[in-house]
Amino acid sequence: DTGVSQNPRHKITKRGQNVTFRCDPISEHNRLYWYRQTLGQGPEFLTYFQNEAQLEKSRLLSDRFSAERPKGSFSTLEIQRTEQGDSAMYLCASSLALAGVITDTQYFGPGTRLTVL
Amino acid sequence: AQSVTQLGSHVSVSEGALVLLRCNYSSSVPPYLFWYVQYPNQGLQLLLKYTTGATLVKGINGFEAEFKKSETSFHLTKPSAHMSDAAEYFCAVTMTGGFKTIFGAGTRLFVKA
Repeated sequence: DTGVSQNPRHKITKRGQNVTFRCDPISEHNRLYWYRQTLGQGPEFLTYFQNEAQLEKSRLLSDRFSAERPKGSFSTLEIQRTEQGDSAMYLCASSLALAGVITDTQYFGPGTRLTVL
Repeated sequence: AQSVTQLGSHVSVSEGALVLLRCNYSSSVPPYLFWYVQYPNQGLQLLLKYTTGATLVKGINGFEAEFKKSETSFHLTKPSAHMSDAAEYFCAVTMTGGFKTIFGAGTRLFVKA
């Protein structure tokens, strides 16, 4: 178990540029989540995958944001035409959902800190 | 709609003193409740969780929390603070059978020598 990894750890970009973040979940985990965390706040749910299917998206996820999880393994989060308000820590988490288990435990990665100049 | 309120954005205690971090939630259905800890430049780590059963839940690093339905609270405690406990703590709630987790704004714990 190598944990959830995220790359890059830091990204500085200019307003209007596109950025892409990657999340590698714990290998056997079938659920993957993306959160955004701004300074002084708790993480806010963005989207969630069950295997390769994206099952829910928050209204926070504008049409400039897109997430994929091809083949149900790693996931990417792309932000197009970045704005200064996109500056935040983007967290990925994964979990193993088993039939009959009430709720699964989410394991978080270290996050990608985005700064939009 | 679900929400989580953490009372006190900053809490300071002396080493060896009791730690009490407060969390109140609102939920229209029985919730699942969590406490996470976040160290600087790291992701969140699960301290403990309540799903069903015993309302006093023990977690890692000597922390525990008690689910009180009548008070809609899930306060986190530790009998004796250690310097290594200094971090940000988040209370969170997930709806029964759901996957969307709502986090509180966090409480930063300072431990004085």
